[in-house]
Amino acid sequence: AQTVTQSQPEMSVQEAETVTLSCTYDTSESDYYLFWYKQPPSRQMILVIRQEAYKQQNATENRFSVNFQKAAKSFSLKISDSQLGDAAMYFCAYRTALVNAGNNRKLIWGLGTSLAVNP
Amino acid sequence: KAGVTQTPRYLIKTRGQQVTLSCSPISGHRSVSWYQQTPGQGLQFLFEYFSETQRNKGNFPGRFSGRQFSNSRSEMNVSTLELGDSALYLCASSRSQGTQETQYFGPGTRLLVL
Repeated sequence: AQTVTQSQPEMSVQEAETVTLSCTYDTSESDYYLFWYKQPPSRQMILVIRQEAYKQQNATENRFSVNFQKAAKSFSLKISDSQLGDAAMYFCAYRTALVNAGNNRKLIWGLGTSLAVNP
Repeated sequence: KAGVTQTPRYLIKTRGQQVTLSCSPISGHRSVSWYQQTPGQGLQFLFEYFSETQRNKGNFPGRFSGRQFSNSRSEMNVSTLELGDSALYLCASSRSQGTQETQYFGPGTRLLVL
């Protein structure tokens, strides 16, 4: 079974600085999708960035980028020029790319990293 | 385009009661998934519906059930509530059931069982 581990329960960063959140996962599959979601105090789960495992190029969305190391099964999120609005829980999630029927379309989640942004 | 909506946003129930939560997906989205979020267990998959059919189910007891209507709106029901059912219930929609589809989440329903 696939698992997702976020080893940093809490992190903090100064406004305008850069922070990296870690995520590792375990799977025997070769094709899958990885996501970072943000959950601010409003509890709304917001997609930050998505990575397809078959793509070697790391995904980037404005100030957010990932470092995807497939062999190491690592998927870290880098937030550049941190802003106060970035303060939230960040969740790493995995989803298989297999199209077979069964209980495999679900997102498998890490326990999250709480990010504080200090002014 | 309107996002995923969930009603009600907050609920307080007592043990033994039942509850029904509603989710309206993004227009054009036909797949709806439900997740339970608790501080202890994190986010756990409940079930997924596509075209009114349950496609996947997580490891939850039979007290948790759901359905999807022809307009893709979905409901989940929890019968005989237990204290441990207190959680944030999140609904997510996507265009299809393909695994390449990104899921977009609603604001959640916070359920408190007393």
